[in-house]
Amino acid sequence: AQSVTQLDSQVPVFEEAPVELRCNYSSSVSVYLFWYVQYPNQGLQLLLKYLSGSTLVKGINGFEAEFNKSQTSFHLRKPSVHISDTAEYFCAVNKGGGSYIPTFGRGTSLIVHP
Amino acid sequence: EAQVTQNPRYLITVTGKKLTVTCSQNMNHEYMSWYRQDPGLGLRQIYYSMNVEVTDKGDVPEGYKVSRKEKRNFPLILESPSPNQTSLYFCASSSPGEPQHFGDGTRLSIL
Repeated sequence: AQSVTQLDSQVPVFEEAPVELRCNYSSSVSVYLFWYVQYPNQGLQLLLKYLSGSTLVKGINGFEAEFNKSQTSFHLRKPSVHISDTAEYFCAVNKGGGSYIPTFGRGTSLIVHP
Repeated sequence: EAQVTQNPRYLITVTGKKLTVTCSQNMNHEYMSWYRQDPGLGLRQIYYSMNVEVTDKGDVPEGYKVSRKEKRNFPLILESPSPNQTSLYFCASSSPGEPQHFGDGTRLSIL
């Protein structure tokens, strides 16, 4: 069965610094990968997705992620964070081939300090 | 507007009093799912449904029931709620291989 590991439960960073949130997955078949963001007291919103094609995926709010099949990773990056990026970030994988079943990581709390 | 609607948004109730959290989507999605979110544990899937009359257990189904009589609705039923079911609950829907669309969440407190 597929699984997702988010290696950091909390990432503190100063405003305008770059950030990387790490995500590794395990699956024996092709996968679809997603990053979601949850702002305080809100539901989850899709940041970006990888279904096929270019391994570098750009999302909303200046975030991007790179699919690395050999390392089974899908790390999320932003070159310069803002206070408003403080949120919980979830990596998720759907097993490929049209499978419905998603698996979520435990989440990474990004805390941006002024 | 495409959306997943959950009701109620907040509920405080007592142990043993049956409750239902409704979920409705207007995107004609086949797949629907319920999650609970607890601090440090992320999102854990309770039940999911691949289509009408097709439901299956997720990772933490104990104490919950679901039904899928219509494509758009997927209610979550707690027959005899207990304090350990105090949590933030999310409903989600999607088409195959596509991202989940989430509702705004239901915060349940069971005393």
